[in-house]
Amino acid sequence: EVQLVESGGGLTQPGGSLRLSCAASGFTFSAFSMNWIRQAPGKGLEWISYISTTGSTIYYADSVKGRFNISRDNAKSSMVLEMNNLRDDDTAIYYCAKGIVARGDHWGQGILVTVSS
Amino acid sequence: VLTQSPGTLSLSPGDRATLSCRTSQSVSTTYIAWYQQRPGQAPRLLIYGASNRATGIPDRFSGSGSGTDFTLTITRLEPEDFAVYYCQHSKTFGQGTKVDIK
Repeated sequence: EVQLVESGGGLTQPGGSLRLSCAASGFTFSAFSMNWIRQAPGKGLEWISYISTTGSTIYYADSVKGRFNISRDNAKSSMVLEMNNLRDDDTAIYYCAKGIVARGDHWGQGILVTVSS
Repeated sequence: VLTQSPGTLSLSPGDRATLSCRTSQSVSTTYIAWYQQRPGQAPRLLIYGASNRATGIPDRFSGSGSGTDFTLTITRLEPEDFAVYYCQHSKTFGQGTKVDIK
């Protein structure tokens, strides 16, 4: 069974940083590309980043480009989203999702990130 | 831009639901997907490639369409189908359609 578990969320002030992790199991992690998708409270879905199987191809949404960095460690079946210079409008539930560019074939349960002073 | 309609659909169990997703320009069906999100849960992929059901999705869910107009149809609503549905094209999601109990 595919399992994706996010961790690392929490409360931070504007301008702060957080590091989200996604631990994968139940499938051959190195064979699948991955995404981060977020959802602000009471709002819709927003794709924010994609990483290919080897990490050689990476995409970001304009809203996070230059502030967020995605990476993966296939040996540890894990993916990381480093978030810097956080803003109030980055407050959201962040989901890691297995799939092709921007598509979520399987989703984690999500982790809440709150940016507030 | 993706536009979903209606914003809310009020139906009864056993009814047929028809959800619309319109793109601002003609797109390939390859990157059209539909998701279901129940309250407090992560989204779940229902349909990919506009008309292909994802693994484990009941056959009462079907997707269709081409060009700029796409449709998700639920033939007979079950209690667990009352949820929010999102369409997606490539990196863009629609704003969602809520299917609630009439």
